Amino acid sequence: DTGVSQDPRHKITKRGQNVTFRCDPISEHNRLYWYRQTLGQGPEFLTYFQNEAQLEKSRLLSDRFSAERPKGSFSTLEIQRTEQGDSAMYLCASTQIQGAGGANVLTFGAGSRLTVL
Amino acid sequence: AQTVTQSQPEMSVQEAETVTLSCTYDTSESDYYLFWYKQPPSRQMILVIRQEAYKQQNATENRFSVNFQKAAKSFSLKISDSQLGDAAMYFCAYRSASFGTASKLTFGTGTRLQVTL
Repeated sequence: DTGVSQDPRHKITKRGQNVTFRCDPISEHNRLYWYRQTLGQGPEFLTYFQNEAQLEKSRLLSDRFSAERPKGSFSTLEIQRTEQGDSAMYLCASTQIQGAGGANVLTFGAGSRLTVL
Repeated sequence: AQTVTQSQPEMSVQEAETVTLSCTYDTSESDYYLFWYKQPPSRQMILVIRQEAYKQQNATENRFSVNFQKAAKSFSLKISDSQLGDAAMYFCAYRSASFGTASKLTFGTGTRLQVTL
């Protein structure tokens, strides 16, 4: 297993276009998270999945954002009608949750950097 | 809501010396986990060290150790015998231990560590 993979690593788009990011978590991990990191800030939680179910969405996730994890494996994050304020690094992380979770550790991908012109 | 504060945007240390990165947090919970993550330039975030709040003993991982002061809500990271490869952004993060809280991390704004010869 090569860890958490994200694609593409960098996307440059014009304002108003749609973009989609893909995350492939570690295969045995049942929980997957999306975070957004803007310049000079720490990552901020966007949403997470337990298997294929999306269980929580942050208020940061506007109606233009949608995330899926159709078969409980890979996940996609789509941003419609991009705005310059969407420019950020989008991080994916996964972990295996058992019971109450404990001190389980998130494994992060290298991120997908979005630049909206 | 929990908050994490890192008051040192940048720190510098000479190779082989010791440096301490500061982190404070605010929470009303009694049971939680604290983490330090390292994010090298253009590379994925990796876990450096973690601390369970119910443990009084400070966590250590080789050259990395923490000073966890629960009453003061302080969680500093000490790096001993600094190496060039330690240069990175370091993020302090908090996670609730309450069941059903999504196990999501709340990050600070990060400290950029430079290691000089």
